[in-house]
Amino acid sequence: GAVVSQHPSRVICKSGTSVKIECRSLDFQATTMFWYRQFPKKSLMLMATSNEGSKATYEQGVEKDKFLINHASLTLSTLTVTSAHPEDSSFYICSARDTYGRSSYNEQFFGPGTRLTVL
Amino acid sequence: AQRVTQPEKLLSVFKGAPVELKCNYSYSGSPELFWYVQYSRQRLQLLLRHISRESIKGFTADLNKGETSFHLKKPFAQEEDSAMYYCALSRGGGATNKLIFGTGTLLAVQP
Repeated sequence: GAVVSQHPSRVICKSGTSVKIECRSLDFQATTMFWYRQFPKKSLMLMATSNEGSKATYEQGVEKDKFLINHASLTLSTLTVTSAHPEDSSFYICSARDTYGRSSYNEQFFGPGTRLTVL
Repeated sequence: AQRVTQPEKLLSVFKGAPVELKCNYSYSGSPELFWYVQYSRQRLQLLLRHISRESIKGFTADLNKGETSFHLKKPFAQEEDSAMYYCALSRGGGATNKLIFGTGTLLAVQP
């Protein structure tokens, strides 16, 4: 139980295009999901908190218009990297809290990540 | 500022040796601390949390508020313990609780 999936697992795109990454909670509902970015050999950096039915909360230094987040249902959050550039190439990871059950002590369940490469 | 520091990028030990992965934090409030583990080609998963004071896979971690530390320990390392370990601090409250991660320590257990 408590599985989070991400799609796609890997994407390559041209500079200037937009890319959408999906994060789904498969067997639980999540009013709150989180989006992280991980650089090679570096830690996970929280980008934003995705809230179902309301606007996302972005961390300082993260461009809202660059990284669009939509959390339209209790099981799906999407991250769209708009007008992607090579410096946006990274590993993007989402996580979710089980709103109604298993997230005791604020546990987050992580997705497998999406590798984005912008040419 | 809230921060989590893991001073060791790599820790290499032999099977059966004791292991201590260091984690220090800075936080003005009352912290919630976690250890997450990432095995090769697998996703990040929770190993243990300080509030439950549990032992998972032989690992324990004690919160020392005086030293602002939350070191992860295991008396006898096993090869299957080889993985990336991240210490994390939870800030904020309620449903929007956020995690701040350290830079991680790669544990390599040699046969």
